Amino acid sequence: DAKTTQPPSMDCAEGRAANLPCNHSTISGNEYVYWYRQIHSQGPQYIIHGLKNNETNEMASLIITEDRKSSTLILPHATLRDTAVYYCIVRVLNNAGNMLTFGGGTRLMVKP
Amino acid sequence: EAGVTQSPTHLIKTRGQQATLRCSPISGHTSVYWYQQALGLGLQFLLWYDEGEERNRGNFPPRFSGRQFPNYSSELNVNALELEDSALYLCASSFIVLLSYNEQFFGPGTRLTVL
Repeated sequence: DAKTTQPPSMDCAEGRAANLPCNHSTISGNEYVYWYRQIHSQGPQYIIHGLKNNETNEMASLIITEDRKSSTLILPHATLRDTAVYYCIVRVLNNAGNMLTFGGGTRLMVKP
Repeated sequence: EAGVTQSPTHLIKTRGQQATLRCSPISGHTSVYWYQQALGLGLQFLLWYDEGEERNRGNFPPRFSGRQFPNYSSELNVNALELEDSALYLCASSFIVLLSYNEQFFGPGTRLTVL
């Protein structure tokens, strides 16, 4: 799986958009970008994933650059409950076991 | 619908002892994954069980083992505990659907402390 690089921490004002970047310059053609988050004292929670087109769901939007070497997770209206560690990973869509490995992630602090 | 449950919430053991951690998947899920989340080391894959069989294991020594029961619940056993085994142990469950991303749903974890 390709390696990802994320800033260790970010702050965001409540109600504003939170834009979390991720670099994955060694991503290969069949690897997807996935985002998870982990709120303190809870297990990780799936947010969104994509291959090359931008994706949106009820939680967030995922913007992937045309060369697929980086992406941004957007939380359009951050709330205090969005304070968490956000993990970006890249891996193939593999139905033979979706084993996950997370690095350090970005610690997002949403402030009132 | 109940989520993934794990027990116990906290477990304190001493070096050399054995620890047993339990996980109940979401109803209908056949796959159970175990992960270790040690401080500063991110999330590391331990074991994957599906339909009662061990399908894959991560880069951990054999003293980490487990099993999956006919009702799809699972146990993780850690023998000969070492101080560095202190971590949050997370269980996740999923369906397995061919040619699809099978989202994993995580439990709250068991915090194991080895003294």
